[in-house]
Amino acid sequence: GENVEQHPSTLSVQEGDSAVIKCTYSDSASNYFPWYKQELGKGPQLIIDIRSNVGEKKDQRIAVTLNKTAKHFSLHITETQPEDSAVYFCAARGNSGYSTLTFGKGTMLLVSP
Amino acid sequence: EAQVTQNPRYLITVTGKKLTVTCSQNMNHEYMSWYRQDPGLGLRQIYYSMNVEVTDKGDVPEGYKVSRKEKRNFPLILESPSPNQTSLYFCASSPRDSTYEQYFGPGTRLTVT
Repeated sequence: GENVEQHPSTLSVQEGDSAVIKCTYSDSASNYFPWYKQELGKGPQLIIDIRSNVGEKKDQRIAVTLNKTAKHFSLHITETQPEDSAVYFCAARGNSGYSTLTFGKGTMLLVSP
Repeated sequence: EAQVTQNPRYLITVTGKKLTVTCSQNMNHEYMSWYRQDPGLGLRQIYYSMNVEVTDKGDVPEGYKVSRKEKRNFPLILESPSPNQTSLYFCASSPRDSTYEQYFGPGTRLTVT
């Protein structure tokens, strides 16, 4: 099945800095790569996603890049704010199961004022 | 308000005592799924359902059962809970399958003693 590795596990930045979280996946047939943000005490919420026919996608301060050859994708957050502090999960939909989604282990992002 | 609800939110039980965690969505979504979240392991999919009467195993189905008799409901059943099922459980739904945004419930924290 699909295997997703996520790094780093924790990331501390100063407000205004950029943050980058990286993920690798194992199934070259994977075709969908979402990123979820989980605030304390809440369920995860989709913040951005990318499909395998696109190399980059941007939504205001958030961007995701996909390198299919290297089988890795990254989340970029610019001009970080304290409210960006949360746990971020990457995920990939592999080809082994019709509709399973495999998540990374998560990155705790702390943005200090 | 479009939402996924779970009940109960917190549950402490003893080994072997059957329990059910309910999940309901009001968005007429076809796809529903259960995940467990454990420290250092991220989110792992337990079971999913593509539609009424259609269910399939995720990555960690052992010890769990599900049913999908109605489109809006997707209960998670633990026939004989064990301490290793102590975890935070999330239900999620999406319009069609896992390549669409998944809407997560607020979570159910289960402790099995």
